[in-house]
Amino acid sequence: VQLVESGGGLVQPGGSLRLSCVVSGFTFSDFGVNWVRQAPGKGLEWVAYISSSSRTIYYADSVKGRFTISRDNAKNSLYLQTNSLRVEDTAVYYCARSIKVGPTMFDYWGQGTLVTVSS
Amino acid sequence: DIQMTQSPSSLSASVGDRVTITCRASQSITNYLNWYQKKPGTAPKVLIYAASSLQTGVPSRFSGSGSGTDFTLTISNLQPEDYATYYCQQTLSPLFTFGPGTKVEIK
Repeated sequence: VQLVESGGGLVQPGGSLRLSCVVSGFTFSDFGVNWVRQAPGKGLEWVAYISSSSRTIYYADSVKGRFTISRDNAKNSLYLQTNSLRVEDTAVYYCARSIKVGPTMFDYWGQGTLVTVSS
Repeated sequence: DIQMTQSPSSLSASVGDRVTITCRASQSITNYLNWYQKKPGTAPKVLIYAASSLQTGVPSRFSGSGSGTDFTLTISNLQPEDYATYYCQQTLSPLFTFGPGTKVEIK
C-alpha cells in the first residue's frame, strides 16, 4: 500500500493550490480517504473526508467553504483544492486511508506535502 | 463538535519506564477512539484502534483502555524508538478530531 502526495509549494495569502494523492496497492474505490495536516510545531488536524463513492463529504470548520475534496477512482487519485489560502493554512498535508473496523481508523498514510502560505 | 483533551502535554521518561497518557472526550464516544504515534518527518502511525485493539505489527508493550469519555494509552517498558508525540483521535463524529498530543521525551 502506498499513498503519495504532491502539489505543495509556496503560495501568497489569498492564493490557491491543488494537492493530489495517488494511491497503489489496494482497491481505491473501496475506501474512504482523508486529508490531515500538521502546521509547524503544532498537532495533527483532520481537514476533510470523502467516502468511496464521493457521496459523503465532510470538512473541518477551519476550511469549510475554502477547500474542496474530490477523488477520481479511475485514476486512483484523491485531490484537495485549496482556495483563499491563509498564513495559518501553512502545514504538511497528509492523505490517509480510512478503514472501518467497527469504529473507523486511519491505517495508511502518505509522507505528506508541504504548503507554505506567505507573502 | 466533540473536543478531545490529553494529559500531560509532555513528559520525560527513561528507557524501561511505564508511561501512561490520558485522553478525554467532551462527550461519550463509546470506543471510537484511536491512538497514533508521530515522529518528526514521518507519517503518523496507528497504534491502537477501537480504544483497546492493537494494530497489526505494533509491539505488545503498547496497550489502550477506556470507554465513554476517558481513555488511556500505556507504554510498558519504554524503548528508545518510542520517543515521539502521541495523539488520540475520535471517529464517532464525522469530524474526526485529534487530541492536542503528548510528547514523550528522554529523561
